[in-house]
Amino acid sequence: EAQVTQNPRYLITVTGKKLTVTCSQNMNHEYMSWYRQDPGLGLRQIYYSMNVEVTDKGDVPEGYKVSRKEKRNFPLILESPSPNQTSLYFCASSSWTGLASGNTIYFGEGSWLTVV
Amino acid sequence: KQEVTQIPAALSVPEGENLVLNCSFTDSAIYNLQWFRQDPGKGLTSLLLIQSSQREQTSGRLNASLDKSSGRSTLYIAASQPGDSATYLCALTGNQFYFGTGTSLTVIP
Repeated sequence: EAQVTQNPRYLITVTGKKLTVTCSQNMNHEYMSWYRQDPGLGLRQIYYSMNVEVTDKGDVPEGYKVSRKEKRNFPLILESPSPNQTSLYFCASSSWTGLASGNTIYFGEGSWLTVV
Repeated sequence: KQEVTQIPAALSVPEGENLVLNCSFTDSAIYNLQWFRQDPGKGLTSLLLIQSSQREQTSGRLNASLDKSSGRSTLYIAASQPGDSATYLCALTGNQFYFGTGTSLTVIP
């Protein structure tokens, strides 16, 4: 079964305590990305990766880091979380390789993060 | 900066009605257009993808159109059912993805 798996699904943490949200996909997709979803602002892209060792900033990268050392994994790192990073986070993957390839995208179930 | 707008933000219709959801954007030149469904507390499910060179796509009771010249896309849902109740999002998708804020649809039995 095609899956994008995120962990943890729910987390409450304190300001400044580094945390990592893991993301793994089993579809051998080149493209992976992270989003945050906030009321009234919708989904905004944080970072994306076109392939292993290739990452780029999305619309709201400040305060986040990512790495893509393996094709299947794309962890999101919050080095020093702050309360304004309280949000619902989604990881997604796609077979996107360009406009002509089409890019049906598969989303994880989401990770609820609260920073106090 | 790319902006994607969806109006209305919420819509309530009786079961069986045909309906249209709207999506407008500022720059479609190098993007595909995709419609998603999101159920409360869940991730997004892709419904239809219209590639940049296409004008519409159909899947079952859903039909999506893309008019790049006017910067608009519509999602047509025929014979709506209570199970269609969800939030519908459109997105311009390329290397970067730009999502609208969604239309929350309620279909009343």
